[in-house]
Amino acid sequence: DSGVTQTPKHLITATGQRVTLRCSPRSGDLSVYWYQQSLDQGLQFLIQYYNGEERAKGNILERFSAQQFPDLHSELNLSSLELGDSALYFCASSATGTGDGTQYFGPGTRLTVL
Amino acid sequence: AQSVTQLDSQVPVFEEAPVELRCNYSSSVSVYLFWYVQYPNQGLQLLLKYLSGSTLVKGINGFEAEFNKSQTSFHLRKPSVHISDTAEYFCAVTPLTPLVFGKGTRLSVIA
Repeated sequence: DSGVTQTPKHLITATGQRVTLRCSPRSGDLSVYWYQQSLDQGLQFLIQYYNGEERAKGNILERFSAQQFPDLHSELNLSSLELGDSALYFCASSATGTGDGTQYFGPGTRLTVL
Repeated sequence: AQSVTQLDSQVPVFEEAPVELRCNYSSSVSVYLFWYVQYPNQGLQLLLKYLSGSTLVKGINGFEAEFNKSQTSFHLRKPSVHISDTAEYFCAVTPLTPLVFGKGTRLSVIA
């Protein structure tokens, strides 16, 4: 158990809908990262927050947004969903916002868009 | 930009045999290197990491990796694998914060 929790575990929805994925980092970790894992693209970095502020942005679509709240939990919002958004979405956390900080991954949320 | 190439998408190996999973990276700056393992239906778990210092890094579950700067490689090895090592293994690099992952290598241990 990494100490990172993600809810829900599975999500099934229809095209055009909007969903919210939630992540609680390990106790004391200030940085949260979101990754998308799909068969064709592999594991791709989406976005990072550090202590409530956006720190780095990766291949995140404009239809997607995220935020980190004062209690350090984070939410990833996916809207106008398309079939191609079906994937595993992982959240990771680290104590620091720098590269030498180990990232601990949650169990993921499997999103299926029908 | 950084990139990671995992040279083998699948590696079958017999139980108790040695294994090497290959990883090469490309970067114009110094990087930190990681190996993660993903068991079926689970998240990623850190096996080991190289930040600096000794180029031979030991991790959990008997795995080790060697950083070779001249060959830009970070190959993962285990002298004797077990059935429980069957999983997907990911090599990753980062110069700053977001991890750049390779496509993964599926290790299948055969009894």
